[in-house]
Parts: sequence; C-alpha cells; structure tokens
Amino acid sequence: NAGVTQTPKFRVLKTGQSMTLLCAQDMNHEYMYWYRQDPGMGLRLIHYSVGEGTTAKGEVPDGYNVSRLKKQNFLLGLESAAPSQTSVYFCASKGQGETQYFGPGTRLLVL
Amino acid sequence: GENVEQHPSTLSVQEGDSAVIKCTYSDSASNYFPWYKQELGKRPQLIIDIRSNVGEKKDQRIAVTLNKTAKHFSLHITETQPEDSAVYFCAASLRSTALIFGKGTTLSVSS
Repeated sequence: NAGVTQTPKFRVLKTGQSMTLLCAQDMNHEYMYWYRQDPGMGLRLIHYSVGEGTTAKGEVPDGYNVSRLKKQNFLLGLESAAPSQTSVYFCASKGQGETQYFGPGTRLLVL
Repeated sequence: GENVEQHPSTLSVQEGDSAVIKCTYSDSASNYFPWYKQELGKRPQLIIDIRSNVGEKKDQRIAVTLNKTAKHFSLHITETQPEDSAVYFCAASLRSTALIFGKGTTLSVSS
C-alpha cells in the first residue's frame, strides 16, 4: 500500500514548455486534489475531483488543466509553463472520511 | 468563497512552554477544521481535526478549540519539544469536499 505517489519528484522547464504531473493513489479514494505551495502563501487549491470523470476549479486554476480518466489517477497539466508556476505541487486524496492524505510533492522550476 | 486567516506567521518558544496558533474563517457553512504539520522538505500530515458540532478536542499535548459564533479556531500545544518545530497549517472545509488552507505558522522550539 503506497498511499499517494507523485511523478516526477523534480523537474526543470523552460518558459513555454508543457508537462504533465501524475498523481496516483491506491486507497480507492473518490476525491483527489492538486495544490501548489509557495513561500508565505500556504497551500492553495488548484483543481480537484470528486470522482472519476469529474473535475472542478479551486482557488488558483488559471494556467492549469486536469483530468481524472481513472479513479486512481489525477493528472495536472501545464500547457505553456511560466516562471510564476515555479512551485512545489502537492497532490492529495480523500475517501468518505474527512482526512486528506498528501503525496510527497513535485518541485517544479520554470526558467 | 471561503477565506482562512492564520496568525501568527512565526512563533518562537522555549522548550516546555505552550504555543497557540489562531485561525479565522469566513464561510459559516464550513463544518470541518483540520490542522496539518509540515516538516522541512516533507508532505503535510494531519495532527488533529475538529468538527463544527464539537467545541474542543484534545490528543495528548495537542488540543484544538472552535468558536462557531466568532468563526475562529485555535491550536494549542503544551510542553513544547524541539521536535514540534515545523510549519503548521489550519484549514476549513468547503462544502465537505475541498479544504482552504491558512498561510501557515512557522513554530520554532528552542532548547
């Protein structure tokens, strides 16, 4: 039981490049979330999903897209990366209870 | 939408002292309030939570209080130890699906 995993752990992009971050969970959780964490800003919700095939916008969705084609996976896409998207990205999942379980994070640097 | 304010942003205490972190929320419909601890370079982990039908909850040296009328809740850590040093985040649940986080408090416990 790996819990919540994220791929990759670290990535460097040039401005304008695209990439996809993968979040996977093996707990059969319905809910999945993407957050970004910046110094002094806490954790800000980007997008979330309440079930397979569904997505919803969070606090800071601009510049990101998501997909939940399979229940265990939640993908975060950056179509045209910008330096302002340099951040640490955390994925989380939640079952029918209230507790969200976080992945280890992905550090993204956009030059 | 929901907004969560957290204070103070930094807190320094001597080992053995108590530490208190306070949060306020804006959406009176919020009904779940967790606290997460994040050590340097690690993922956030839940340490305690409280629901809106309870005024106080305690787990060993950690306690959380909730004042629904004033829309604020607090984390209390007694007999602090160096290993309590970390960033602490409060959050409020938005429609029981997504969490909105405060900006965090960096707690430093010196021995």
